[in-house]
Amino acid sequence: DVVMTQTPVSLSVAIGQPASISCKSSQSLVGTSGKTYLNWLLQRPGQSPKRLIYLVSKLDSGIPDRFSGSGSETDFTLKISRVEADDLGVYYCLQGTHFPYTFGAGTKLELK
Amino acid sequence: EVQLVESGGGLVQPGRSMKLSCAASGFTFSNYGMAWVRQAPTKGLEWVATISYDGSSTYYRDSVKGRFTISRDNAKSTLYLQMNSLRSEDTATYYCTRDHRYWGQGVMVTVSS
Repeated sequence: DVVMTQTPVSLSVAIGQPASISCKSSQSLVGTSGKTYLNWLLQRPGQSPKRLIYLVSKLDSGIPDRFSGSGSETDFTLKISRVEADDLGVYYCLQGTHFPYTFGAGTKLELK
Repeated sequence: EVQLVESGGGLVQPGRSMKLSCAASGFTFSNYGMAWVRQAPTKGLEWVATISYDGSSTYYRDSVKGRFTISRDNAKSTLYLQMNSLRSEDTATYYCTRDHRYWGQGVMVTVSS
């Protein structure tokens, strides 16, 4: 199985400051189609997960451009340029290239 | 508007069975693969199973293979998860999801005697 190593485990950030989360996979996430099925999701407290980014860097509709995704092969990053109060929750990376699909363990974003 | 509504959860004894349903609306259900993802209490997300748009292909995590069956009824726009031989470690909130973009509200399954 592909292991998704997500860091840090928790992050305390002041409003308006940037945040960055890393996700490293144990093998390349480039699929046979040439696409890289790496997603980022946010789960706010008490809510279902919500996808923010797919295919490494594509923002889902309605997601503010304060969020960005980058990376390739085995090394990926989610960045928030300016954290807002609505951003708190647990962020997960998810690889959808190889079965079984696997999630990172999550990064809890708290407000400082 | 895409909506996914799970049902069928509850308390069940170890070794017994339970069937979850996910009613979909707001999109052409028969065009999309679907999946079940679960989350044990206070834990992270865990993919359980995926089914292709037409039901011809299914995929499972090893820990549920042979015990769980994912299926769909495209005429009813409904996704199912038949869970047999349930174990305490299957206790979780189960979400159905389309593309991992759209998620249901989740349904709790508690396996306990």
